[in-house]
Amino acid sequence: GAGVSQTPSNKVTEKGKYVELRCDPISGHTALYWYRQSLGQGPEFLIYFQGTGAADDSGLPNDRFFAVRPEGSVSTLKIQRTERGDSAVYLCASSQGTSAYNEQFFGPGTRLTVL
Amino acid sequence: AQTVTQSQPEMSVQEAETVTLSCTYDTSESDYYLFWYKQPPSRQMILVIRQEAYKQQNATENRFSVNFQKAAKSFSLKISDSQLGDAAMYFCAYPLGGSQGNLIFGKGTKLSVKP
Repeated sequence: GAGVSQTPSNKVTEKGKYVELRCDPISGHTALYWYRQSLGQGPEFLIYFQGTGAADDSGLPNDRFFAVRPEGSVSTLKIQRTERGDSAVYLCASSQGTSAYNEQFFGPGTRLTVL
Repeated sequence: AQTVTQSQPEMSVQEAETVTLSCTYDTSESDYYLFWYKQPPSRQMILVIRQEAYKQQNATENRFSVNFQKAAKSFSLKISDSQLGDAAMYFCAYPLGGSQGNLIFGKGTKLSVKP
C-alpha cells in the first residue's frame, strides 16, 4: 500500500479482555514505532522496532502490553487484561531507518475503547 | 526530564492571515532535530516541517516557516496566508535521542481558521 495502515480503525472491548492491534508499515521501512495518544494529549512513545527486534520498549506502561514484529514488516500490539485507562488512540509509524533524518510516516490509528 | 511545551491550547486565525504557534523544549543533546506535525480530524499525523539544530538558517516549506532560537530552546511555527485546510491540531516534537529514535510530543495546539 501507499501508506501505513492500521486495523481495526476502532475497537470496543470489555474490561479484562485481550486485544490485538495491527500495523502494516510502508513496504521497505525497517523502523516501526508505536505511540499512544490519550484524549487531549500528544502521542506518547510505547515501543519501536528496527527490523524484527525491539530496539526500545521503555515506553510500554506495564507487562500487560507486548508487541511483536516477527518478519520485520507487520507489527501487532497486544494488550492483556484491558483496563479502562487503556482507552486511547494507538498510532503506528514507520520510517526507512531510526535516524531522525528519516521521516516517520504515521497511520490513521486505532481507537481503543475499554468499557 | 526531556519535555516539549506548547503553551497555546487553542489558536484562531482569519483566512489569508498569518499565525504563529509557539513551542519550547528541553534537551541536553547538542545535535538534534525538531519537528512540527499536523493532525487533522482524520487522526493521521503529517509532517509539516523539520529543523536540524546545527543549521542556523530557519527551515521553510512553502507557507510554513519556523523561528528557531537554539539558546532559548524555542521553536515556533509560522503559517502564512492561512487556508481553511490548515485547521487541525499541531504538535511540536523532537527525538528522545536527539538525532534518532522515538519522538517526544507536546500537548498540541488546536488551530481554527475562520473564513
